Amino acid sequence: AQSVTQPDIHITVSEGASLELRCNYSYGATPYLFWYVQSPGQGLQLLLKYFSGDTLVQGIKGFEAEFKRSQSSFNLRKPSVHWSDAAEYFCAVGPTGGFKTIFGAGTRLFVKA
Amino acid sequence: EAGVTQFPSHSVIEKGQTVTLRCDPISGHDNLYWYRRVMGKEIKFLLHFVKESKQDESGMPNNRFLAERTGGTYSTLKVQPAELEDSGVYFCASSRFGVGSNTEAFFGQGTRLTVV
Repeated sequence: AQSVTQPDIHITVSEGASLELRCNYSYGATPYLFWYVQSPGQGLQLLLKYFSGDTLVQGIKGFEAEFKRSQSSFNLRKPSVHWSDAAEYFCAVGPTGGFKTIFGAGTRLFVKA
Repeated sequence: EAGVTQFPSHSVIEKGQTVTLRCDPISGHDNLYWYRRVMGKEIKFLLHFVKESKQDESGMPNNRFLAERTGGTYSTLKVQPAELEDSGVYFCASSRFGVGSNTEAFFGQGTRLTVV
């Protein structure tokens, strides 16, 4: 079955600390992988996406993610977290950008001063 | 360029009532999608429009849900009659293309529906 697992329901990091959000997927075909962020009162915003090529993908707001096929993972990283990064993050997989995209349950990030 | 907009942002209704959610996609986007997130779980696909036609409605939970997109512009999602388990956040998204590596779906802010 196709699925996305985000093992951490919530994570708390100190401002300025590094961040890694985990994502594992199960998908029968070559996946397109995405990370979205939802800040309070906002819609889902695409942080980055992987379709093919370089397995290290750079996104907006200083985020990056690495696709590891052998581990079926697509972890999101940021070297230094800012308070404004506090939000909920969703990993997703699909055949394309919108059609039947499969989302994980989300990881809520808390940033402490 | 305006993004995907959804109305209302919040709705609280009683069990058995009817609620209609609206989504205005980005102008020129033929593809429109509805998703739902229930009780902090994963966001799940409901259906996909290409212009005014339903391309895939396999995610619609039951026949109490009716989606329309007359004229291929905005879309409505009606829940009638609403049940407690329908509570959640309903997201709409749109994209210019339906398939392909250059496709990106843009999401609205969601409508939070609470059925009491």
